[in-house]
Amino acid sequence: DAKTTQPNSMESNEEEPVHLPCNHSTISGTDYIHWYRQLPSQGPEYVIHGLTSNVNNRMASLAIAEDRKSSTLILHRATLRDAAVYYCILRKDQGGSEKLVFGKGTKLTVNP
Amino acid sequence: NAGVMQNPRHLVRRRGQEARLRCSPMKGHSHVYWYRQLPEEGLKFMVYLQKENIIDESGMPKERFSAEFPKEGPSILRIQQVVRGDSAAYFCASSPLPTYEQYFGPGTRLTVT
Repeated sequence: DAKTTQPNSMESNEEEPVHLPCNHSTISGTDYIHWYRQLPSQGPEYVIHGLTSNVNNRMASLAIAEDRKSSTLILHRATLRDAAVYYCILRKDQGGSEKLVFGKGTKLTVNP
Repeated sequence: NAGVMQNPRHLVRRRGQEARLRCSPMKGHSHVYWYRQLPEEGLKFMVYLQKENIIDESGMPKERFSAEFPKEGPSILRIQQVVRGDSAAYFCASSPLPTYEQYFGPGTRLTVT
């Protein structure tokens, strides 16, 4: 599985935007970029995914670099409820690779 | 639509006993995945099942661990003769198709004393 690199931790203030970076320089053409997050004492939660184009949903936006070697998860207005560990995961869209391979992720702290 | 359900939420077992963890996927989901999270560590894939079939068990320890997903009823992760190192949070996830996003349950926290 292709590897991703994320900062160990980041801090933000409430109601400010947060940009969570992810490097994936060995990404292949069939790899989708997925983001999950895990709130304290809970199971992981799907956030967003994309292939080449930027994506938006009700939770966040995903900005993908033109060469696809990096991406950024954007939380437009952080709330205290967004404090979690955020995982950037590469996943192939083909049979045999259904499992998610979690790295260490980025622990996001949101200050009131 | 109820989410993924896991029970029990907390389970305490003495060394040598058996632990049975149950997972009911979301309605309409026939793909189930089990992950383990050891204290202060990341999540590790254990096994991927479809109804009555084990598709990928590459993350399962070779001994004492088994999983099933019968035609009827929940998926079961079974750990025989538990040891202290089995203490962890065990998460189950389900999806409607194999490459769709996975929906996770709240986890079962196993403590081996």
